[in-house]
Amino acid sequence: EAAVTQSPRNKVTVTGGNVTLSCRQTNSHNYMYWYRQDTGHGLRLIHYSYGAGNLQIGDVPDGYKATRTTQEDFFLLLELASPSQTSLYFCASRTGDQAPLFGEGTRLSVL
Amino acid sequence: GDSVTQTEGPVTVSESESLIINCTYSATSIAYPNLFWYVRYPGEGLQLLLKVITAGQKGSSRGFEATYNKETTSFHLQKASVQESDSAVYYCALGPTGANTGKLTFGHGTILRVHP
Repeated sequence: EAAVTQSPRNKVTVTGGNVTLSCRQTNSHNYMYWYRQDTGHGLRLIHYSYGAGNLQIGDVPDGYKATRTTQEDFFLLLELASPSQTSLYFCASRTGDQAPLFGEGTRLSVL
Repeated sequence: GDSVTQTEGPVTVSESESLIINCTYSATSIAYPNLFWYVRYPGEGLQLLLKVITAGQKGSSRGFEATYNKETTSFHLQKASVQESDSAVYYCALGPTGANTGKLTFGHGTILRVHP
């Protein structure tokens, strides 16, 4: 069954902290995405990738890095976390003309 | 740029009542966008509810329906009789056609609360 798995599901860090959010898909999908979702906003695209080693900048990339190490794994890195990055983060994957398949989300709090 | 506007929530209805969540879009960079409704149940990730890729067509799933209206640039979500289990956040989205980046533009989401 197609799936996108995110970890951790919840994370609390302090301002200036270093955080890595992980996403794994076992669907053999080419595209993977990182979105953030905040109250009053729709999902906003941070970064995306169309294959291992590839990275594309999304609509709200400031303060985030990402790395696609394999076809399956896509990581989102916050090297100096700030309170403005407190959010619910979603990873998604897609292939062909299909609608993206989303993970369950990671709730990040930056104190 | 592209944008999606949907009903401000929360929307509160009683079980067995009808529901409509409005969605209008502006697709300045996409001539014929694909339109989607996603749903997020409490504690879960986003799930695709329905997708329509052709103007004038209707999509349906789990008793929900939405018609792609290119003239009014709308894609309203409707259900004739809601259930308490429909309580969730609903997102309208648009995206490009074809196998390209597949970047979706989302609305803000509408919280639906259904009372028994």
